Amino acid sequence: EAGVAQSPRYKIIEKRQSVAFWCNPISGHATLYWYQQILGQGPKLLIQFQNNGVVDDSQLPKDRFSAERLKGVDSTLKIQPAKLEDSAVYLCASSLMGGRNTGELFFGEGSRLTVL
Amino acid sequence: GESVGLHLPTLSVQEGDNSIINCAYSNSASDYFIWYKQESGKGPQFIIDIRSNMDKRQGQRVTVLLNKTVKHLSLQIAATQPGDSAVYFCAEGSNSGYALNFGKGTSLLVTP
Repeated sequence: EAGVAQSPRYKIIEKRQSVAFWCNPISGHATLYWYQQILGQGPKLLIQFQNNGVVDDSQLPKDRFSAERLKGVDSTLKIQPAKLEDSAVYLCASSLMGGRNTGELFFGEGSRLTVL
Repeated sequence: GESVGLHLPTLSVQEGDNSIINCAYSNSASDYFIWYKQESGKGPQFIIDIRSNMDKRQGQRVTVLLNKTVKHLSLQIAATQPGDSAVYFCAEGSNSGYALNFGKGTSLLVTP
């Protein structure tokens, strides 16, 4: 079974530039998550989709971050303009259902962003 | 706000010994907990989960213990191997959106 795919793996940009990350979840997984992981910390949820609808985006900095999952499969996360503090690994995860009885989230390897 | 946290940031054990990684949580409404393992440069990988109606659950070489009275969770790894070296996170089910709230992580180093 193919895992969660993310690209690019690494990205270096200057502050105030924009960047986009792409995620392809495991086939059949209805729920998709974007997490931000700053070095030395645990992942922090940015946004959760159930199919193509947003379930939770309460921690997404909406003035600069946006995400979409138009067809309920792939998703993109965009940052515009980037700040130095956005340097982190952006992890995409998916799960079969998404309710609290779901259990396991499957994570991709992440996209490492460095903002200079 | 309420959060999930870990007691120790680093843990060093000898190969073959048992490891115990601890986690405290503060949200008394949490009823689902998961342990994840994250190796360098990779995404977190599911190890084991437990629901609040249980106090112990065992997997292959791993055991999770839940003490709801003191809001404490632990992960026990038997006969620790070099491949167990990684950062371990506990996570709880969120009250909204059903996503997971992660703690800061404990780095486990297995020495020969």
